Amino acid sequence: NAGVTQTPKFQVLKTGQSMTLQCAQDMNHNSMYWYRQDPGMGLRLIYYSASEGTTDKGEVPNGYNVSRLNKREFSLRLESAAPSQTSVYFCASSPTPDTQYFGPGTRLTVL
Amino acid sequence: AQSVAQPEDQVNVAEGNPLTVKCTYSVSGNPYLFWYVQYPNRGLQFLLKYITGDNLVKGSYGFEAEFNKSQTSFHLKKPSALVSDSALYFCAVRDSNTGGFKTIFGAGTRLFVKA
Repeated sequence: NAGVTQTPKFQVLKTGQSMTLQCAQDMNHNSMYWYRQDPGMGLRLIYYSASEGTTDKGEVPNGYNVSRLNKREFSLRLESAAPSQTSVYFCASSPTPDTQYFGPGTRLTVL
Repeated sequence: AQSVAQPEDQVNVAEGNPLTVKCTYSVSGNPYLFWYVQYPNRGLQFLLKYITGDNLVKGSYGFEAEFNKSQTSFHLKKPSALVSDSALYFCAVRDSNTGGFKTIFGAGTRLFVKA
């Protein structure tokens, strides 16, 4: 099993550009999450999907959109990137709202 | 509202000595508590969790944590530290009554184990 995979691993954008971060899990988990990790701030929840067909806002949703494409895939889109969105982005999945399994992360820099 | 605090940015310990990484939390309902570890350039890995029952929870790699309701704490412990334990540790909490799918993570504590 690959677990949770994320693409790309690294990305550099210019302010105003758009991009989509991809996430897939092969553990048949119902729930999926997107977090951002910034130094000294831990992980902050951007959006989550409790089950296929549903998405909800987390702590810091502004500037992001998500799509739960199917049970396996959950993508995060930045429509117009800003330097404040420079961060490391983690996708996670879980069978229940408890123990989460994390992907390796995407390091995004917005210039 | 849920919150979690990790009061130490870094903990230094010598190999073979016991280690403690501190965590306190605040929830309005019953807490579900978690510890995760992050190695360099990797995603977080689950270590252990407290849902209900015995206040002493045992997890992966010899780690354990003690739930203390009166002190609202969930400190991570290990009797004998290894150099390979050096990593970033995150405490997390979810309010079982009102938290839904939202787990709140602390800022993290960097553990450095010296040989």
